[in-house]
Parts: sequence; C-alpha cells; structure tokens
Amino acid sequence: EIVLTQSPATLSLSPGERGTLSCRASQSVTSNLAWYQQRPGQSPRLLIYDASNRATGIPARFSGSGSGTDFTLTITSLEPEDFAVYYCQQRATWPLTFGAGTKLEI
Amino acid sequence: EMQLLESGGGLVQPGGSLRLSCSASGFTFSSFAMGWVRQAPGKGLQWVSSIGGNGATTFYADSVKGRFTISRDNSKNTLYLHMNSLRAEDTAIYYCAKDPIPAASLGSNWFGPWGQGTLVTVSS
Repeated sequence: EIVLTQSPATLSLSPGERGTLSCRASQSVTSNLAWYQQRPGQSPRLLIYDASNRATGIPARFSGSGSGTDFTLTITSLEPEDFAVYYCQQRATWPLTFGAGTKLEI
Repeated sequence: EMQLLESGGGLVQPGGSLRLSCSASGFTFSSFAMGWVRQAPGKGLQWVSSIGGNGATTFYADSVKGRFTISRDNSKNTLYLHMNSLRAEDTAIYYCAKDPIPAASLGSNWFGPWGQGTLVTVSS
C-alpha cells in the first residue's frame, strides 16, 4: 500500500498570505495524485486531480504541482473560506489511499 | 444539479449488518463509477470500495474485503453498500462519491462530488 505523508499537520496563516501544503508518497505515483478540501461540518470537495488540473469550479488561486513522490498544493492569497483541512489521495495502485490531512488554520 | 443522498446509517451491534444507500440525481448515473469513502469521528478519510458504471468491476479495501459488498441499481439511480460482521472500528461517516470522469467500467478513481454522508455506529 502506498502511504501518503502530508506536512505540516497544521499550518497557521492569515488571510491574504500564501499557503503551501506538501504531500509525499512512499513510492512513485507519477502524476496520479489529487487534492481535496474539507471545511468544518462539510463533505470533502475535489480541488486538483492528476497532480495539477483544477476541478470544475475551483478558483485559480488553487494550484497543484509535482510528480513522482513529492507534491505541493499552493493557495495564493488565502480567503477566509480556505481555512479547512486538505487531503491528498493517490490512484496509482490499489488500494486507493489518502494522506492524514493538513489543517489550515487562521 | 448533481445530488447524492446517503441513507441507512444508524446504531448496530458488533457482528450485525447494515445496508447503506446512495440516491443519485442530476447526471446519467450508469455512465459513472461510484465509490464509498469513510471517516471515523475526528479522523481522516479512508477509501472503502469502488464500482464501475456498469457494475461489473468492484474493488475493496483489505479491511472490509469479505464483509462488505458494493452494488448498484442503474434503473433506480442508487448505489448500495451491504455491510456484514460489523466491528467497532467500522464506526464512521460513510460518504458516497461520484467519479468525475464518465466510464463504462472503473473511471478515474478520483471522487467528486460527494454526498453529505451517513453515520454508522457499531457499539453494544
């Protein structure tokens, strides 16, 4: 099973700042990585798929990069609604696995 | 507008069974793979199972293999998760989720959108 390690566990920033979240895979997943956002009390939402493609309706301030084992989700100029938990997920091999999440807090 | 509505959760004793349903609307249900993902209270996300659009292909997490069965009724636009031999560690919110890419069998294995979830509590 591929283990995804997200860092940091918690990231404290202010609105308007830039957020950089990391996801590292225990073995190469090439570009088979997605990012999800989960706001408090809500279901997860797909943000980025195939490492760098924004899902439908996702604002341009969200971007994904990386390949192989190291990936980054960047949020430029944080909005109040961006403070949430972010998960990465790989689909390179079964079972599908998620990282433990990064909590982005104000 | 796409909608996914889960139901069937509740309190069940260890060793018991439960059937979850996910009613879909707003898209051509049979054209998309679907999946179940769970989240234990205060914890992260764990993939449980996926099924192709035509229902012929299924995959399971090792932790539920042999105990859970995923199925779908495309004539009713409904996804199911039959859960047997339930354990305390199965306690979680269970989300159904749609694959964003149409495919007759398994699709992209990404998940979006998600339903609101249904809570399953396994306890005596």
